[in-house]
Amino acid sequence: QTVVTQEPSFSVSPGGTVTLTCGLNSGSVSTSYYPSWYQQTPGQAPRTLIYSTNTRSSGVPDRFSGSILGNKAALTITGAQADDESDYYCVLYMGSGIWVFGGGTKLTVV
Amino acid sequence: QVQLQESGPGLVKPSETLSLTCTVSGGSISTFYWNWIRQPPGKGLEWIGYIYYSGSTNYNPSLKSRVTISVDTSKNQFSLKLSSVTAADTAVYYCAKDRGWGFDPWGQGTLVTVSS
Repeated sequence: QTVVTQEPSFSVSPGGTVTLTCGLNSGSVSTSYYPSWYQQTPGQAPRTLIYSTNTRSSGVPDRFSGSILGNKAALTITGAQADDESDYYCVLYMGSGIWVFGGGTKLTVV
Repeated sequence: QVQLQESGPGLVKPSETLSLTCTVSGGSISTFYWNWIRQPPGKGLEWIGYIYYSGSTNYNPSLKSRVTISVDTSKNQFSLKLSSVTAADTAVYYCAKDRGWGFDPWGQGTLVTVSS
């Protein structure tokens, strides 16, 4: 069974930089998995941040960037702000029309 | 711009069938992939499946035996049916568009509770 892994939690200082990752329990993530990233605050629908590894969705500030780091997809937030405190989810395309979400990372800005 | 809105009963009895509809406005449903995603209270997101505008479907293997997604292009809507529900199916259900690279936009979500 394919499991998409994310750090359960992370903290960053205001103004700091944080990199969240999205991996596989077996194997490496590449651009062929079309990794995308979503931000969710309590009670709200997810907001698309990044798709196809590193393309920012419309209106997303350039503080958010996506990449492949080693064998994982990565979301980097530079100049963290208080309202970046959210849950962040990645999703990977497994082929054959199947998508799998990671378990999410709860980011605290403190 | 495209907007999605979920609708349907907020309460379903155990063993019955959950039925939801997603209405697409601001654009045609006759392109791309239309997805259902759910989120149990306090938990993460789970992809349920999609329908292509032509009618072809693909489902999460863990739910495949209970899920049916259909499309009505004349109404610009697509629908989800999940049979034999249990309390574990209690979740916020989202519909979302996929142009082949991920999900955007999303509907606002609708909470469905499974309880007698």
